Amino acid sequence: QITLKESGPTLVKPTQTLTLTCTFSGFSLSTSGVGVGWIRQPPGKALEWLALIYWDDDKRYSPSLKSRLTITKDTSKNQVVLTMTNMDPVDTATYYCAHRGRGELSPWGQGTLVTVSS
Amino acid sequence: NFMLTQPHSVSESPGKTVTISCTGSSGSIASNYVQWYQQRPGSAPTTVIYEDNQRPSGVPDRFSGSIDSSSNSASLTISGLKTEDEADYYCQSYDSSNHAVFGGGTQLTVL
Repeated sequence: QITLKESGPTLVKPTQTLTLTCTFSGFSLSTSGVGVGWIRQPPGKALEWLALIYWDDDKRYSPSLKSRLTITKDTSKNQVVLTMTNMDPVDTATYYCAHRGRGELSPWGQGTLVTVSS
Repeated sequence: NFMLTQPHSVSESPGKTVTISCTGSSGSIASNYVQWYQQRPGSAPTTVIYEDNQRPSGVPDRFSGSIDSSSNSASLTISGLKTEDEADYYCQSYDSSNHAVFGGGTQLTVL
């Protein structure tokens, strides 16, 4: 059974850097074809893909946020970390991580709400 | 930039059939698989269709997916609508650079 869980601060100040950790079980990020992605959802709004990292350390970023994002993996700890710099109130959202297998992002973690406010 | 466009909302009565469209902005939507996710309020999305038309185990066969290359669109069809199907539905695919792309979501009301 694959499970993922996001962790990190619930409140960050404008201009600060956000660091989120996705801790997973039930699969290995060293298995060919496997990836972990990050997606966010502002309150009442649509899903927005942020980044993906694959078993071979290939990394993909949303073109609109690429300059602010860094995704890394620690295979031994079964963790994927996303950092987002220069946080702004518009970045207030629920942040999800998800397993990427065949092509779909599934399953997803429960999500963590991050509020950006001074 | 590759985008996926969905209707903002659809509504239909219980027992009826509804189809939600997802139109690609450029290129061929058939070039990469399309997935469909269901999101109920307060919950994370779950997959109802993957690889254009495949159903994960546990998803009823009332849910089906298809691709129409002539209109460059994907569709999610839900037949025999139940009140429990009321949710937001998102299509998702990848662009030519293997970036994931989500549609804007469709709110399904079953009334």
